Amino acid sequence: DARVTQTPRHKVTEMGQEVTMRCQPILGHNTVFWYRQTMMQGLELLAYFRNRAPLDDSGMPKDRFSAEMPDATLATLKIQPSEPRDSAVYFCASGLVSNPLHFGNGTRLTVT
Amino acid sequence: DQQVKQNSPSLSVQEGRISILNCDYTNSMFDYFLWYKKYPAEGPTFLISISSIKDKNEDGRFTVFLNKSAKHLSLHIVPSQPGDSAVYFCAASATGANSKLTFGKGITLSVRP
Repeated sequence: DARVTQTPRHKVTEMGQEVTMRCQPILGHNTVFWYRQTMMQGLELLAYFRNRAPLDDSGMPKDRFSAEMPDATLATLKIQPSEPRDSAVYFCASGLVSNPLHFGNGTRLTVT
Repeated sequence: DQQVKQNSPSLSVQEGRISILNCDYTNSMFDYFLWYKKYPAEGPTFLISISSIKDKNEDGRFTVFLNKSAKHLSLHIVPSQPGDSAVYFCAASATGANSKLTFGKGITLSVRP
């Protein structure tokens, strides 16, 4: 059963440090999304790609967040420098054509 | 500004009875709606969807109803089972299932044995 793989599952870091989260989309999927889940905001879209090209990153704080797809099998989300308010669960999802998105199990980030 | 609203944060139902989860939206450009289910420490998983050209879609115990004039949709689970206990997210898109989804904040469903 194909699935989206996210690493690491948990990350605890100190304020000011760089954080990199990785996502391996399902093979053959051409869209990749990054969502963030917090208690206050629910699931918020940060960025998404189609055929590796960024389509929308309006949900990301541009000064500290960056999202890339170096190749079709890897998507990354970086935070530099990290802040306590970035503490959340970050989900990656991938999809194909008209099919619903498949989500990974998330990276739980804690910034102290 | 929440474009997709799930106003009830939680719902508790007896096993075997019907669960009704509600969702409202404000953006009239939305034309595709989905429900995702999420267990703790896992990602959301797709449950059922409906296009704006329909008013009902059924899949086993799960039925989604869409009322476009009221900008309201609901998920019915009949009969409810303890394994249905999870967080349910309503999501909407203006361009289909494989596009930018706007999510509600979720409803925690508890099914009592």
